[in-house]
Amino acid sequence: DVVMTQSPLSLPVTLGQPASISCRSSQSLVKSDGNTYLNWFHQRPGQSPRRLIYEVSNRDSGVPDRFSGSGSGTDFTLKISRVEAEDVGLYYCMQGIHWPWTFGQGTKVEIK
Amino acid sequence: EVQLVESGGGLVQPGGSLRLSCAASGFIFSSHWMSWVRQAPGKGLEWVAIMNQGGSEKYYVDSVKGRFTISRDNAQNSLSLQMNSLRAEDTAFYYCVRAYFGSGDYWGQGTPVTVSS
Repeated sequence: DVVMTQSPLSLPVTLGQPASISCRSSQSLVKSDGNTYLNWFHQRPGQSPRRLIYEVSNRDSGVPDRFSGSGSGTDFTLKISRVEAEDVGLYYCMQGIHWPWTFGQGTKVEIK
Repeated sequence: EVQLVESGGGLVQPGGSLRLSCAASGFIFSSHWMSWVRQAPGKGLEWVAIMNQGGSEKYYVDSVKGRFTISRDNAQNSLSLQMNSLRAEDTAFYYCVRAYFGSGDYWGQGTPVTVSS
């Protein structure tokens, strides 16, 4: 299975400051169609995950533009330009090219 | 509005069976791959099973192969997961997820499954 490795696993941040989460895959996530199937999800306590970013850098509808995704091949990053209180929770990267689709371990974002 | 509503979770003894259901609305159900994702208490996410629009392609994570069966009824806009020979390690919240181009774009609220004697 493709292993997705996130860092850090815990990220205390100050409101209004930037935050960055790294995700590395054990295999390339570039499919034969040329697309890269790397996604980011956010899960608040007691809620189901919500997708933020698909295909590395495309924001889902309703996702604030302070969230951005980047990367290629096996190395990817999720950035929050200015953290707000509602951004706390767990963030997961996920690959959707090799079955079984797999998630990273999760990064817990909390306010300092 | 896309809605996915799971049901059927509960407490079951090891070795027992349970059938989860997912009622879909707000989109053309028969046009989408559908899947189940689970999350054990305090743990991460695991993609359990996925199937294509017509049911001719089904894939399972190794840990459930031979025990779980994913199925769908396009006429009823419903997805199911038949879980047999349940183990303690199957205890988790189970989410119905619409699969789309290497991702899960819509998730239900989940249904809890507890396997314990």
